[in-house]
Amino acid sequence: DAGVIQSPRHEVTEMGQEVTLRCKPISGHNSLFWYRQTMMRGLELLIYFNNNVPIDDSGMPEDRFSAKMPNASFSTLKIQPSEPRDSAVYFCASSPDPAETNEKLFFGSGTQLSVL
Amino acid sequence: GIQVEQSPPDLILQEGANSTLRCNFSDSVNNLQWFHQNPWGQLINLFYIPSGTKQNGRLSATTVATERYSLLYISSSQTTDSGVYFCAVESDKLIFGTGTRLQVFP
Repeated sequence: DAGVIQSPRHEVTEMGQEVTLRCKPISGHNSLFWYRQTMMRGLELLIYFNNNVPIDDSGMPEDRFSAKMPNASFSTLKIQPSEPRDSAVYFCASSPDPAETNEKLFFGSGTQLSVL
Repeated sequence: GIQVEQSPPDLILQEGANSTLRCNFSDSVNNLQWFHQNPWGQLINLFYIPSGTKQNGRLSATTVATERYSLLYISSSQTTDSGVYFCAVESDKLIFGTGTRLQVFP
């Protein structure tokens, strides 16, 4: 398997523009996670899905952020409108069924977002 | 929520040295994982270790769940070990510590 695939790798945009980040989890994994990494706050969980259903979105910073998982092989994280303080690396991760006893989290390469 | 503290925050080693990284957590957890983030930003899962001891080559990890800590041992360090090591624990969701930044010099 190619692992968790994220796109784009880098995104530079202007304040106020809409940003869409994409993620393809590992095939067969039932859980998908969106994390944000900044120097100040480290790695923060934004939202996670289990079997395509959002389970916990308490980490989503504000209404400008939204995430969807229309099917088991694709998820998006959207920021509208974007602001400079949204600049960060956004990671997507997936894991097998939580009922499995050896649950591991696998990360994508991340999207480096810069909002000017 | 659960607090996850890692120590030391920074570590500088010469190639060949051994090191121990520590992760303390404030409450009972279902899951504990160690990750390495390389200088290019890639996060790699090292161990899934809610309890006990595991070894993988020069790396090993021990979690003592009853005392709420985990240790990551790196033996005979190499320059490729450089990066940030994160501990992550889960009760209802996975929470990351602030990491230990390791620099290994030749």
